[in-house]
Amino acid sequence: DADVTQTPRNRITKTGKRIMLECSQTKGHDRMYWYRQDPGLGLRLIYYSFDVKDINKGEISDGYSVSRQAQAKFSLSLESAIPNQTALYFCATSDIRDPYEQYFGPGTRLTVT
Amino acid sequence: AQSVTQLDSQVPVFEEAPVELRCNYSSSVSVYLFWYVQYPNQGLQLLLKYLSGSTLVESINGFEAEFNKSQTSFHLRKPSVHISDTAEYFCAVSVSGSARQLTFGSGTQLTVLP
Repeated sequence: DADVTQTPRNRITKTGKRIMLECSQTKGHDRMYWYRQDPGLGLRLIYYSFDVKDINKGEISDGYSVSRQAQAKFSLSLESAIPNQTALYFCATSDIRDPYEQYFGPGTRLTVT
Repeated sequence: AQSVTQLDSQVPVFEEAPVELRCNYSSSVSVYLFWYVQYPNQGLQLLLKYLSGSTLVESINGFEAEFNKSQTSFHLRKPSVHISDTAEYFCAVSVSGSARQLTFGSGTQLTVLP
């Protein structure tokens, strides 16, 4: 089984809808991250969490919110989806003892029409 | 703020030929440098990293990268590529005081041709 899982893997939604992307990990890591990947732009950090009570905004947090329900679960929400949020979304984790090696999930491809 | 530039968005190369993927960074403070690889339909995986010490670092599958402080570069090289090396490669940087966050470049798609 994969160490970092994301659900759903693909989602098509309409403008204005609320949507939640979920991430679960079995690696026992404290740190979790949400990124979006756009062609030609690489990965940009949306939010990150160093533990259940510690949530931080990343480079592009506007229009997104997160919830760290447990050490192993980190959800990303789009309160009112818009077309320019169409992207590939990745969840990642890292261990406090080696914070630079991040372990990525397989990604969620989100399309907002 | 730090930034990472990957000048080549696409690099096609024939199998068994050498390849170099270029990465330049800008930062006014000390940096840590990384290369991540993304195979088709997968998440990213760490390929190699430079934190300190020897400026030449190697991966287990034959890639190497050299930290050049004067040229602010961290180019990735492999002397002989295989079809299985086809992937997108991302250079990333972390600087002191950034809570050990990574800033990624825009990626280079390496396509190895038979």
